[in-house]
Amino acid sequence: DADVTQTPRNRITKTGKRIMLECSQTKGHDRMYWYRQDPGLGLRLIYYSFDVKDINKGEISDGYSVSRQAQAKFSLSLESAIPNQTALYFCATSDHTDTQYFGPGTRLTVL
Amino acid sequence: AQTVTQSQPEMSVQEAETVTLSCTYDTSESDYYLFWYKQPPSRQMILVIRQEAYKQQNATENRFSVNFQKAAKSFSLKISDSQLGDAAMYFCLPTGANNLFFGTGTRLTVIP
Repeated sequence: DADVTQTPRNRITKTGKRIMLECSQTKGHDRMYWYRQDPGLGLRLIYYSFDVKDINKGEISDGYSVSRQAQAKFSLSLESAIPNQTALYFCATSDHTDTQYFGPGTRLTVL
Repeated sequence: AQTVTQSQPEMSVQEAETVTLSCTYDTSESDYYLFWYKQPPSRQMILVIRQEAYKQQNATENRFSVNFQKAAKSFSLKISDSQLGDAAMYFCLPTGANNLFFGTGTRLTVIP
């Protein structure tokens, strides 16, 4: 089984809808991250969490919220999706060396 | 904010030859890590190599090695004996101070 899983893998939704992307990990890491990837822009950090009670905004947090339900679970929500949030979303965990271990990604399309 | 520059949007290399991908960054940190990740068409992000900034010795992983110049804030990736499976997007990532900024990537094409 994969160490970092993301659900769903693909999602198509409409403008204004609320969307939740979920991430689970079995690596036992305290640190978890959400990134988005747009063509030609690399990965940009949305939110990160160093433990269940420690959540921080990243470079592009506007329009997103997160919830760290447990050490192993970190979900990303789009309260009211808009078309420019169409992107590939990655969850990752890291150990104390900052090495990022990525999930397979979720492709989100907002119409 | 930390900035990361990968000045080569696209590179190509003949199979079995050597290619070097460049990365420069700006940071005020003295202790940090640097990574190269590859992203093949499957879109999975795969760790290629890691370097600790406090180590002078350049990291090596099989056919992959880095040239880390801390004072110049430069972190290049050398791929030796290139293989078709090396074709991918390559991203540079320096870390530190709770900020993670990826470069915009270099698309590597391997020519048979």
